[in-house]
Amino acid sequence: NAGVTQTPKFQVLKTGQSMTLQCAQDMNHEYMSWYRQDPGMGLRLIHYSVGAGITDQGEVPNGYNVSRSTTEDFPLRLLSAAPSQTSVYFCASRTRDRGSPLHFGNGTRLTVT
Amino acid sequence: AQTVTQSQPEMSVQEAETVTLSCTYDTSESNYYLFWYKQPPSRQMILVIRQEAYKQQNATENRFSVNFQKAAKSFSLKISDSQLGDTAMYFCAFIYSNAGGTSYGKLTFGQGTILTVHP
Repeated sequence: NAGVTQTPKFQVLKTGQSMTLQCAQDMNHEYMSWYRQDPGMGLRLIHYSVGAGITDQGEVPNGYNVSRSTTEDFPLRLLSAAPSQTSVYFCASRTRDRGSPLHFGNGTRLTVT
Repeated sequence: AQTVTQSQPEMSVQEAETVTLSCTYDTSESNYYLFWYKQPPSRQMILVIRQEAYKQQNATENRFSVNFQKAAKSFSLKISDSQLGDTAMYFCAFIYSNAGGTSYGKLTFGQGTILTVHP
């Protein structure tokens, strides 16, 4: 059981470039989300989805787009990378059951120069 | 909005000793869940323990236990018999659900506490 799979593990971009972080889960979880982790700030929610075709903004959505065409996949798109987007990104999923924990991917370390 | 605060950026403990990590939160909700996650140097996020707000009994998982004080909005993690493998960053997290269900998946995290276990 692969769980939550994120690719790539590392990425370096130049300012202004665009890219997509991939996320897939094989647990049939309804809910998926993207977080960014920055020193001293914990994990902050970027976007989330409660099911295929449904997405919503989190705490820090600017500069990012998401879509959820299938239950399994939830890609995160950086439209025009900026140095402020240098961070570690985590994809996570969970069931709709109350209190079910988030299952995390292994993260992507993104550096924007 | 919910907030989660971990006031100890770093802590250290000797192997085999006990350490307690602090977490406070602010919410007006009555039905919610609290979690502790561990992030070792591998960057993987690992669930350590979960507490349901309506349960008064403190959750326990082997060497890990919590002290949940609902009135004080406090949720501390106690690690007994600390091991070198416990060295990691620990995150406290909060989640609630509303009638519409749109808050599902929106876990709010604290800033994290780096724990170092010394031999």
